[in-house]
Amino acid sequence: AQSVTQPDIHITVSEGASLELRCNYSYGATPYLFWYVQSPGQGLQLLLKYFSGDTLVQGIKGFEAEFKRSQSSFNLRKPSVHWSDAAEYFCAVGARRSNYQLIWGAGTKLIIKP
Amino acid sequence: ETGVTQSPTHLIKTRGQQVTLRCSSQSGHNTVSWYQQALGQGPQFIFQYYREEENGRGNFPPRFSGLQFPNYSSELNVNALELDDSALYLCASSLAGPGSTSNIQYFGAGTRLSVL
Repeated sequence: AQSVTQPDIHITVSEGASLELRCNYSYGATPYLFWYVQSPGQGLQLLLKYFSGDTLVQGIKGFEAEFKRSQSSFNLRKPSVHWSDAAEYFCAVGARRSNYQLIWGAGTKLIIKP
Repeated sequence: ETGVTQSPTHLIKTRGQQVTLRCSSQSGHNTVSWYQQALGQGPQFIFQYYREEENGRGNFPPRFSGLQFPNYSSELNVNALELDDSALYLCASSLAGPGSTSNIQYFGAGTRLSVL
């Protein structure tokens, strides 16, 4: 079955600390992978995507993610978080053969300590 | 700003009623996808439209239906509302159609539906 797992429901980090949000997927086809961020009352904003090529991808707002096929993972990282990064983060997977219909994780809520 | 707009922002309905949600795609986009996001969960794919034709459907009953218009705007209709239909409904538009090599979906802010 196709699925996306984000093991951490909540993560709390101090402002200025590094961040890693985990994402594991189970997908039969070659996956296209995405990270989106959702702030309260807002829609989903694309942070970064992986389609092919370099497995380390850079996104907006200083985020990056690394695709590890052997581990079926696509973890999101940021070296130093800012208070404005507090939001909910979603990992999603899609494939060309399914017309990019996205399957989503349950999300990880990021809380920033001052 | 993604250029994808949804209306209304909030909606309150009672069980058994019908509701229509609207989505205006980003200019030039020909594909629209609808998702349901229950509280505390990730979005669930409802269906996708490409050039006015349904192009895939998730695990939702037939009382969830949609339309895409020639200008690529879209509607989501839900009949016989149930309490569990209470959720945030998200519309996403994309430029690439089926068979394309990439597809980035741009989301609207959503419509919050409450069924009482």
